[in-house]
Amino acid sequence: DIQMTQSPSSLSASVGDRVTITCRASQSISSYLNWYQQKPGKAPQVLIYAASSLQSGVPSRFSGSGSGTDFTLTISSLQPEDFATYYCQQSYSSPYTFGQGTKLEIK
Amino acid sequence: EVQLVESGGGLVQPGGSLRLSCAASGFTFSSYWMHWVRQAPGKGLVWLSRTNSDDSSTKYADSVKGRFTISRDNAKNTLYLQMNSLRAEDTAVYYCARERGYSGYDLDYWGQGTLVTVSS
Repeated sequence: DIQMTQSPSSLSASVGDRVTITCRASQSISSYLNWYQQKPGKAPQVLIYAASSLQSGVPSRFSGSGSGTDFTLTISSLQPEDFATYYCQQSYSSPYTFGQGTKLEIK
Repeated sequence: EVQLVESGGGLVQPGGSLRLSCAASGFTFSSYWMHWVRQAPGKGLVWLSRTNSDDSSTKYADSVKGRFTISRDNAKNTLYLQMNSLRAEDTAVYYCARERGYSGYDLDYWGQGTLVTVSS
């Protein structure tokens, strides 16, 4: 199975900050990497798919990059509504594993 | 508007069974692969299972293989998860989700989730 490791597990930041979350796969997954945002009590929502494609309706301050084993999610200028938990997921091969999550909190 | 609505969750004793349903609307259900994902209280997302568009190919996480069965009824636009031999560690919110398809293999629409509690 492919293991997905996110870092950091938690992060405190301020409105307006630039934030980067990383995700590392235990083997190459090409660009089959997706990023989701989840707010408390809600279902996850996709932000970025295929490593760098922005989901329709998602603000352009969100971006994704990487290929192979190393990926990043960047939020260019944090907004109050961005404080949430973020998950990466590989869709290269079954089981389609998620990272453990990164909780983004207000500093 | 795409909608996925799960049902069938509830309290079940260890060793018991439960069948979850996911009613789909707003898209051509029979054209999309579908997934189940769960989340234990306070924990992260765990991928469980996937079925292809005509239910001829299924995949499972090791943690549920042999106990859970994914299936679909394209005539009823409904996805199912039959859960047998339930354990306390199966307690979670269960989500169904649609796989985007050819332009990406992410889960682009999710249901609101249904809570399954396994306890005596």
